[in-house]
Amino acid sequence: GQQVMQIPQYQHVQEGEDFTTYCNSSTTLSNIQWYKQRPGGHPVFLIQLVKSGEVKKQKRLTFQFGEAKKNSSLHITATQTTDVGTYFCRTSGTYKYIFGTGTRLKVLA
Amino acid sequence: GAGVSQSPSNKVTEKGKDVELRCDPISGHTALYWYRQSLGQGLEFLIYFQGNSAPDKSGLPSDRFSAERTGGSVSTLTIQRTQQEDSAVYLCASSLNGRLGGELFFGEGSRLTVL
Repeated sequence: GQQVMQIPQYQHVQEGEDFTTYCNSSTTLSNIQWYKQRPGGHPVFLIQLVKSGEVKKQKRLTFQFGEAKKNSSLHITATQTTDVGTYFCRTSGTYKYIFGTGTRLKVLA
Repeated sequence: GAGVSQSPSNKVTEKGKDVELRCDPISGHTALYWYRQSLGQGLEFLIYFQGNSAPDKSGLPSDRFSAERTGGSVSTLTIQRTQQEDSAVYLCASSLNGRLGGELFFGEGSRLTVL
């Protein structure tokens, strides 16, 4: 069945450093979504990517969808303490969308 | 309502008791999902509803878990004979149309503690 790996599992960065999390699927995806969950909160939708090779930006966040539509990345430039949380990808093959294992980001001031 | 509403927000129960968790999705959202999240862990898919039908129940951990949705709106997740390993946050999410994907809107979750 479909498997989704997200790396790294944890990342501690100094404030101002960059951060990247990767989502890798064993199967081709029709689209991919990214969510952020703050500590003690619920996941909140960030973005959806649909096209092969697509790149989208939201302020300091850059999202990419791989050419083969099997992987994706989320890059944060110059992290801030407000970026703390767990970032999940959510993949689709059928209606059974699967969440990645998540990357927990800690930003040290 | 304006967002996904879940109740209770917190539930403490004794091992062996039954619990019901309620989810009221965003009005007009046909797709409804239940996930379970243990402390510091990821999102475990439990069940998906499209309208009142549940085409995918494969995530329910055991036959002690059941869920229903009525009127294409409110959903109830029932856990019978609760066990300590059932302790987790149960998250409900809805989206406009599950078949077409789209953004999930999550509720605040129901934190279940089984003593």
